[in-house]
Amino acid sequence: AQKVTQAQTEISVVEKEDVTLDCVYETRDTTYYLFWYKQPPSGELVFLIRRNSFDEQNEISGRYSWNFQKSTSSFNFTITASQVVDSAVYFCALSEAGYSGGGADGLTFGKGTHLIIQP
Amino acid sequence: ETGVTQTPRHLVMGMTNKKSLKCEQHLGHNAMYWYKQSAKKPLELMFVYNFKEQTENNSVPSRFSPECPNSSHLFLHLHTLQPEDSALYLCASSQDPFQGSEKLFFGSGTQLSVL
Repeated sequence: AQKVTQAQTEISVVEKEDVTLDCVYETRDTTYYLFWYKQPPSGELVFLIRRNSFDEQNEISGRYSWNFQKSTSSFNFTITASQVVDSAVYFCALSEAGYSGGGADGLTFGKGTHLIIQP
Repeated sequence: ETGVTQTPRHLVMGMTNKKSLKCEQHLGHNAMYWYKQSAKKPLELMFVYNFKEQTENNSVPSRFSPECPNSSHLFLHLHTLQPEDSALYLCASSQDPFQGSEKLFFGSGTQLSVL
């Protein structure tokens, strides 16, 4: 069975600090996908990144960066020079690849990390 | 603006009421989903529709009844709910039926309170 653990329930930092959100996953599949979604106070989850299990290259997008390490089953998310607008709940998710059910029950979300950026 | 619109944003209802949640996607997607988000719990998938056909019902109580009249609209009909059904109900869509790599596009949700 798949599992996604986001051990940090809530993180509070002061603006301009760097912050890392942890994500640890469990799966028996050798091919899978990892995702990060952001849920601002307005409610909608917004897709941030997707990674497949064969691509361990770290990715940087502006102030956002992701560190994927299969050896530790982790897919951590770092925000550099945080801003108040980064305040949101962030979800890590895992899905099987080639899932044929078409039902999305193969997509497992973590419980989310509530990030608070104080001015 | 993600292209997925949900109404109403907030809903308060008594346990004997009947109400409906509406979701509309303007993205031309072929799959739509209802999720339930409760405090301190992971998102729970409730229903899935692919090309207007229901393909998933994750043991959801019959007091929740989905309807998908076309690939752009999705409804969730509610009746005789319980207080524990209070939650944020999120609608999502994807270009194709989910097979592992698809991105989901979410609406802002309906915050439901059952009194």
